[in-house]
Amino acid sequence: DAKTTQPNSMESNEEEPVHLPCNHSTISGTDYIHWYRQLPSQGPEYVIHGLTSNVNNRMASLAIAEDRKSSTLILHRATLRDAAVYYCILRVYNNAGNMLTFGGGTRLMVKP
Amino acid sequence: AAGVIQSPRHLIKEKRETATLKCYPIPRHDTVYWYQQGPGQDPQFLISFYEKMQSDKGSIPDRFSAQQFSDYHSELNMSSLELGDSALYFCASSSQGARLNEQYFGPGTRLTVT
Repeated sequence: DAKTTQPNSMESNEEEPVHLPCNHSTISGTDYIHWYRQLPSQGPEYVIHGLTSNVNNRMASLAIAEDRKSSTLILHRATLRDAAVYYCILRVYNNAGNMLTFGGGTRLMVKP
Repeated sequence: AAGVIQSPRHLIKEKRETATLKCYPIPRHDTVYWYQQGPGQDPQFLISFYEKMQSDKGSIPDRFSAQQFSDYHSELNMSSLELGDSALYFCASSSQGARLNEQYFGPGTRLTVT
């Protein structure tokens, strides 16, 4: 299975942009890049996903390298509520339900 | 919007007892996943069901069993509880009709085994 590598932790100031990197050098052509986050004392929540092109939604942006071996989750203006563990997960799209493999996420700390 | 419901939210059991955790997925979601998160650890996949059939199996102990019922709710049954079973148990649901099966997580059940 393709693996991802993320920094253990990052710090940001409130209202500043945050760039969370993820390396996935062994990604295959059928792997989608998903991001989930887990706020303290809550279940994980979906943030964004993409395959090849950059993606934007109301929560964040996802920038995917041209060779797809890395990606960056961008929070445009960090708030205190964005303090969480962010997980970069590779998933193969198919019609069967498949699990999420959490591991080695980035703990984001946001300073007021 | 309706979310995933888990009950109970907190549960305290003694060693060797049994426990049953319940999960009610988002309406019209047909797939349920169970995850276990120990203290200071990442969530680990246990088992999943699609249309009432087991679809994937992860690191679920033999002492645990689960099923999905006709109304799509799911129950995780845990027997011969051990201290190491103390953890947060999350249920997630998704719809196979959704293109990439985004999973929606419940608030979790905190199980404490004493």
